[in-house]
Amino acid sequence: SYELTQSPSVSVSPGQTASITCSGDKLGEKYASWYQQKPGQSPVLVIYQDTKRPSGIPERFSGSNSGNIATLTISGTQAMDEADYYCQAWDSSTVIFGGGTKLTVL
Amino acid sequence: QLQLQGSGPGLVKPSETLSLTCTVSGGSISRSSYYWGWIRQPPGKGLEWIGSIYYSGSTYYNASLKSRVTISVDTSKNQFSLKLSSVTAADTAVYFCARERAHGDAFDVWGQGTMVTVSS
Repeated sequence: SYELTQSPSVSVSPGQTASITCSGDKLGEKYASWYQQKPGQSPVLVIYQDTKRPSGIPERFSGSNSGNIATLTISGTQAMDEADYYCQAWDSSTVIFGGGTKLTVL
Repeated sequence: QLQLQGSGPGLVKPSETLSLTCTVSGGSISRSSYYWGWIRQPPGKGLEWIGSIYYSGSTYYNASLKSRVTISVDTSKNQFSLKLSSVTAADTAVYFCARERAHGDAFDVWGQGTMVTVSS
């Protein structure tokens, strides 16, 4: 079955750029989405179709997807961006989530 | 503004059937192209997709749960529902309902989540 792999944790200093990656076989041939989840809250969609931002999501969130890796980039990271981030793709009529990455803003 | 509200028992006994309902407000569940899905999250763990349904009743399920899952829709009530049979402690999780932008696309609107514990 298809799998998406994420690093368990990423740390970044305030104001710096955070990059969170998601790897999967030929992931670049599929659409990748990204969700932000803060403790005790429901996930929030921050990127869909590899690069698109839903209304209300700050411009500092961007995405890319090529080869076997999709990347969520947060530019000028703020303390409020500290959260768990999940990638998601679709394969053979199945929705797949990555295991999640905890972003710590030090 | 579209809102999803999940509801159902917070405690289910082992071997019984978990039943949850998601009520959609601020928009029609019958709007073309959207699917409606269920996703769960065990305590301290990641997200797991359970299945999705179109307003016509067309469904697709996670293969690992398919034998125990039934998702249905009631357009007259603007609701969709989840039934998971023969539950065990491993089914203890927060269950989210969400709108899927299109078949195979992202989930753009989420409900608040319903914590379900499986215990005798």
